[in-house]
Amino acid sequence: EVQLVETGGGLIQPGGSLRLSCAASGFTVSSTYMSWVRQAPGKGLDWVSIIYDGGSTYYADSVKGRFTISRDNSKNTLYLQMNSLRAEDTAVYYCAREQKPSGYYYMDVWGKGTTVTVSS
Amino acid sequence: EIVLTQSPATLSLSPGERATLSCRASQSVSSYLAWFQQKPGQAPRLLIYDASNRATGIPARFSGSGSGTDFTLTISSLEPEDFAVYYCQQRSNWPQRTFGQGTKVEIK
Repeated sequence: EVQLVETGGGLIQPGGSLRLSCAASGFTVSSTYMSWVRQAPGKGLDWVSIIYDGGSTYYADSVKGRFTISRDNSKNTLYLQMNSLRAEDTAVYYCAREQKPSGYYYMDVWGKGTTVTVSS
Repeated sequence: EIVLTQSPATLSLSPGERATLSCRASQSVSSYLAWFQQKPGQAPRLLIYDASNRATGIPARFSGSGSGTDFTLTISSLEPEDFAVYYCQQRSNWPQRTFGQGTKVEIK
């Protein structure tokens, strides 16, 4: 069964750092694209970052220069290193597998999310 | 940035009724549009990709249509488990993706 499990969320002060993990099972993270998406309390969904199977990475403008996406192939785990955190980064963070059912990538499997709260 | 506007914000219907949800893009996204369902406390679930293709395991009562700037998600006959929030998402300016603000389908 394909599954994603996020961990690492918590309460952190503004300016602090946090690393989120997303453990995958049932498939290999390095064989496809993987994304992070967040959802602020009571709000909609915001795409955050993506890593390609080849290792290229891209970020939303709102997190560029502060967040870093990476993966550990030996652990089949995706990461999101978040630095210089701001109150507006408070959200549930989801990792998602990207697949191309038709030739174009879409987020077809999501984890249950981990909550990040940035507050003093 | 491509902005997706969903309407209505809330749709109040009874089980068995037909639901029609709209998503309008600020500029053409061709057919690069997906629909997701999200229930409280759960992760989103992919329903439709490329505007009109059902994802694996999605019941036939869900259908998508449209291209360019105007898209529709139709649920032909609402089941109790269909009451949720629905988001559209575009991938036209890949890898940047944007979502609509959501339409809540609630029980009348």
